[in-house]
Amino acid sequence: DAKTTQPNSMESNEEEPVHLPCNHSTISGTDYIHWYRQLPSQGPEYVIHGLTSNVNNRMASLAIAEDRKSSTLILHRATLRDAAVYYCIRAFGNEKLTFGTGTRLTIIP
Amino acid sequence: GAGVSQSPSNKVTEKGKDVELRCDPISGHTALYWYRQRLGQGLEFLIYFQGNSAPDKSGLPSDRFSAERTGESVSTLTIQRTQQEDSAVYLCASSLVIPGRREAFFGQGTRLTVV
Repeated sequence: DAKTTQPNSMESNEEEPVHLPCNHSTISGTDYIHWYRQLPSQGPEYVIHGLTSNVNNRMASLAIAEDRKSSTLILHRATLRDAAVYYCIRAFGNEKLTFGTGTRLTIIP
Repeated sequence: GAGVSQSPSNKVTEKGKDVELRCDPISGHTALYWYRQRLGQGLEFLIYFQGNSAPDKSGLPSDRFSAERTGESVSTLTIQRTQQEDSAVYLCASSLVIPGRREAFFGQGTRLTVV
């Protein structure tokens, strides 16, 4: 039970921003929100994570709703190399990371 | 190396044989995970080691599957009497002591094919 809900697939045009939504309506106060992505034929790689405040790093931004029941991963300018499956995960303390089916992002040249 | 290392990268075995898959985590990472990913599917949790705590084996699909970890270093995943449905990529990941607050790093996986 991944405890998060994501769309199965999304498409975006190259060089445009991409907003990947995630619903985690049953999140508790101490759960972190993690995003990973898996490029074709590779292991997953970490993208970003946060608790309450919005977060930015060199790869992406994470916008967390005020009630923390949803979040959005933002890729500011999509490239063809961003085509991957994106996973949104709730993580608490020492609990194992459980992956759902993720969102398959297709980038249109 | 700096990353999670898995070996072998590819393994072809005959049905009924036993296989051992190895994972070398990043030094200092006390949490170690094994996942299975069948072709075109998501990641399926298998087992989770966290420091000296008893491992979480809740994802192991049958008693043919077992895993060990030596201290905070190498882990081996063993599949006995392999079946064709065991064919998949087996992924290992490691993270620092509080995985919820730290990113997990994945290896490139071992592609197992049972013929």
